[in-house]
Amino acid sequence: DTEVTQTPKHLVMGMTNKKSLKCEQHMGHRAMYWYKQKAKKPPELMFVYSYEKLSINESVPSRFSPECPNSSLLNLHLHALQPEDSALYLCASSPRLAGGEAELFFGEGSRLTVL
Amino acid sequence: AQSVTQLGSHVSVSEGALVLLRCNYSSSVPPYLFWYVQYPNQGLQLLLKYTTGATLVKGINGFEAEFKKSETSFHLTKPSAHMSDAAEYFCAVSRFSGAGSYQLTFGKGTKLSVIP
Repeated sequence: DTEVTQTPKHLVMGMTNKKSLKCEQHMGHRAMYWYKQKAKKPPELMFVYSYEKLSINESVPSRFSPECPNSSLLNLHLHALQPEDSALYLCASSPRLAGGEAELFFGEGSRLTVL
Repeated sequence: AQSVTQLGSHVSVSEGALVLLRCNYSSSVPPYLFWYVQYPNQGLQLLLKYTTGATLVKGINGFEAEFKKSETSFHLTKPSAHMSDAAEYFCAVSRFSGAGSYQLTFGKGTKLSVIP
């Protein structure tokens, strides 16, 4: 199994809603990532989890709350979002290898629309 | 700090023609370089990567790239474009960020259009 699975594929929410994005991988990878991608732009790193601990937070607003319940799962909890948060949210994972050789395996993304 | 620059935000080629997508990198240490492809409404898929060793790297779908240290380049090529190659292509550089994770810095992307 070489897949990163993201659910839901599409999500529409109001600014007062609370929702969650989910990501799952069964490749034994111990690093997992959330990226945000706006239209016609490259992905931007939001969070990195390594061994289920948050290791990088790229100054993301607190209305985005990541969670890593176990080594296979990564969640992104969403609350009080703004319309400008509408984007494609990509989850990725990577194996632990020396140096920077490890590639990131990406899911297909969750397309979020905030009304 | 590491960065990549992709020359040309949009490249159009005729079906069967050579594909050349340009990427230049900036890195203070030996870089690990990647090309990812993104089809519409999908995630990113790895085309190929350069870590160490052979400077000509072959990837999936007939793509290849050559690492040229003297030119700080990692251009992506394919001898003959196919309609299915139409997509967004991202060059990226990676560095180990500690605790088993990696920082991947992307270029701005190049949209490839293939004309029948």
